[in-house]
Amino acid sequence: NAGVTQTPKFRILKIGQSMTLQCTQDMNHNYMYWYRQDPGMGLKLIYYSVGAGITDKGEVPNGYNVSRSTTEDFPLRLELAAPSQTSVYFCASIETSGAPYTQYFGPGTRLTVL
Amino acid sequence: RKEVEQDPGPFNVPEGATVAFNCTYSNSASQSFFWYRQDCRKEPKLLMSVYSSGNEDGRFTAQLNRASQYISLLIRDSKLSDSATYLCVVNKGNTGKLIFGQGTTLQVKP
Repeated sequence: NAGVTQTPKFRILKIGQSMTLQCTQDMNHNYMYWYRQDPGMGLKLIYYSVGAGITDKGEVPNGYNVSRSTTEDFPLRLELAAPSQTSVYFCASIETSGAPYTQYFGPGTRLTVL
Repeated sequence: RKEVEQDPGPFNVPEGATVAFNCTYSNSASQSFFWYRQDCRKEPKLLMSVYSSGNEDGRFTAQLNRASQYISLLIRDSKLSDSATYLCVVNKGNTGKLIFGQGTTLQVKP
C-alpha cells in the first residue's frame, strides 16, 4: 500500500513551458486535492475532485487544469509556466469513512519556474 | 479576514516547557477541525482531530470553542523532536474542502 505518490519530486521549468504533475493513490479514495504551498505560507487549494469525472476549482485555480478519468489518478497540468507558479505542490486524498476528512498527503513536487 | 488565522511565531521554548498555540476560524458552519504537523520541506501529517469536548493524545491536548470560533493545541513536556510547524485546519462548511492556516513554527531548544 503506497498511499499517495507524486512525480516528479523536483522540476525546473522555463517561463512558458508546460508540464503535468502526476498524483496517484491506491486507497480507493473518492476525494482528491491539489494544493500549493509558498515559502512560509499555508496550503492553498488549487483544484479538487469528489470522484472520477468530477472536478472543481479551489482558491487559486488560475494557470492550472486537472482531469480525473480514474479513481486512482489526478494529474495537474500547467500550460504556460510563470515565475509565480514556483512553489511546492502537494496532492492529497481523503478517507471519508471512519474518521472524518482525514487527508493523506503525497511527498510533494518542488517546482521552480525561471 | 483570513478564513483560518494562526500566529506564525516562531515559538522558541526550552525542552520540558509547556507551549500553547491558538487558531481562529471565520466560518461558523465549519464542523471538522484538525491539527497537522509539518516538518521542514515535508508533507503535512495529521497530528490529531479536535472534538467539541476536547481531546488528549499523550502530551498533546486540543480544545475547541465553537462560540468563539477558536481552537487550541497544548503541548506539555516539549521534546526536541516536537520542533516543527503546526497547521490549524478547518473544513469549509460541510464540504470536503479543508482550509489551512499559515502555521505556527515551534523550535524546542536543549
